[in-house]
Amino acid sequence: DAKTTQPPSMDCAEGRAANLPCNHSTISGNEYVYWYRQIHSQGPQYIIHGLKNNETNEMASLIITEDRKSSTLILPHATLRDTAVYYCIVRANFGNEKLTFGTGTRLTIIP
Amino acid sequence: DAMVIQNPRYQVTQFGKPVTLSCSQTLNHNVMYWYQQKSSQAPKLLFHYYDKDFNNEADTPDNFQSRRPNTSFCFLDIRSPGLGDAAMYLCATSDMGAGGQIAKNIQYFGAGTRLSVL
Repeated sequence: DAKTTQPPSMDCAEGRAANLPCNHSTISGNEYVYWYRQIHSQGPQYIIHGLKNNETNEMASLIITEDRKSSTLILPHATLRDTAVYYCIVRANFGNEKLTFGTGTRLTIIP
Repeated sequence: DAMVIQNPRYQVTQFGKPVTLSCSQTLNHNVMYWYQQKSSQAPKLLFHYYDKDFNNEADTPDNFQSRRPNTSFCFLDIRSPGLGDAAMYLCATSDMGAGGQIAKNIQYFGAGTRLSVL
């Protein structure tokens, strides 16, 4: 069963903020939200992850709702190189928990 | 500098002819993974090694095998490739800390090997 739901595709104008939503209504208390992206013909790349607090790094910000049932990945100033498939994944942060990729969101940055 | 290196980037094999894909890492991570990604689909985990401990996914066909001779290298062997095995094969690594705790649980992926079966 899919643990996350994402829109299949989104467009964003270059230079604007790209906001990618993810629903994870069945998330467990010990599960984190991870975001990876995959640029065409490359391997997936880690972006950011969080448990319940909002997180920011050099690539993006992650906003998690208080009930943890949804989150939003924010790319503050999208560039053409941000065009990729973005995967939202929930997983526990212990043991040998694997990454289970869903269908992701294909983000296209428009010049 | 590339940290997870997959060779070759493109591999062509014949139907039924065994093929080996290789992966090496400079991160000294104790876990290595192999994923299969078919066209327009998400990556799907085939198996992984935790140190020398091999962990197969339940639905991975027997046609797929793996070897990890040391920390740095991991191989994917496809014993009798079929047309349906044409895909991108991705290698990834992660660092599992003491007691099974994973500090960040981040996987680092190689660029992949695209396998064609003729």
